[in-house]
Amino acid sequence: KAGVTQTPRYLIKTRGQQVTLSCSPISGHRSVSWYQQTPGQGLQFLFEYFSETQRNKGNFPGRFSGRQFSNSRSEMNVSTLELGDSALYLCASSLASLNTEAFFGQGTRLTVV
Amino acid sequence: GESVGLHLPTLSVQEGDNSIINCAYSNSASDYFIWYKQESGKGPQFIIDIRSNMDKRQGQRVTVLLNKTVKHLSLQIAATQPGDSAVYFCAEMYNNNDMRFGAGTRLTVKP
Repeated sequence: KAGVTQTPRYLIKTRGQQVTLSCSPISGHRSVSWYQQTPGQGLQFLFEYFSETQRNKGNFPGRFSGRQFSNSRSEMNVSTLELGDSALYLCASSLASLNTEAFFGQGTRLTVV
Repeated sequence: GESVGLHLPTLSVQEGDNSIINCAYSNSASDYFIWYKQESGKGPQFIIDIRSNMDKRQGQRVTVLLNKTVKHLSLQIAATQPGDSAVYFCAEMYNNNDMRFGAGTRLTVKP
């Protein structure tokens, strides 16, 4: 069974641009959560989508948004990029909403220059 | 590989020894506590979880202990192997809401 797939693996953007990251969950999983990982702040929860609805949201500005499609694939968008947005963005999928046994993808490494 | 955290607490053990990784959590009302392992260049991988009404849970070569009195969680790894080298994160989940992760501990296993 294929794991969680995130694309692209690496991305370089300039300040002020916007970016869209993609996550394909494990087949049958309906929950997709997004996390930001940085050396300074560690792993921080962004938001979670379940059956195309945002269920939970972390403490991030409105520049960070997401959506989920009917096939459970999810996209995350960051607008007006700042240098501090450089991070590893991870998505995790699970059967139920915020199940403790979440399966993570390898992440997208975003560098903002 | 990628550096998950430049100033993580570290634990170095000899292959075959037992490892104990500790974590302090903040929310006494959290429902679940979870341990994840992250190897270099990979996403976190679920190891084991424990519900807040339990104080011990065992898995394959791993045991999680929960002490609610002092808000402390530990992960014990028996007979540590080189493949156990990774960063270990504890996480807490409250009311099926967002999952909050600890800073992580880097475990290095010496052959």
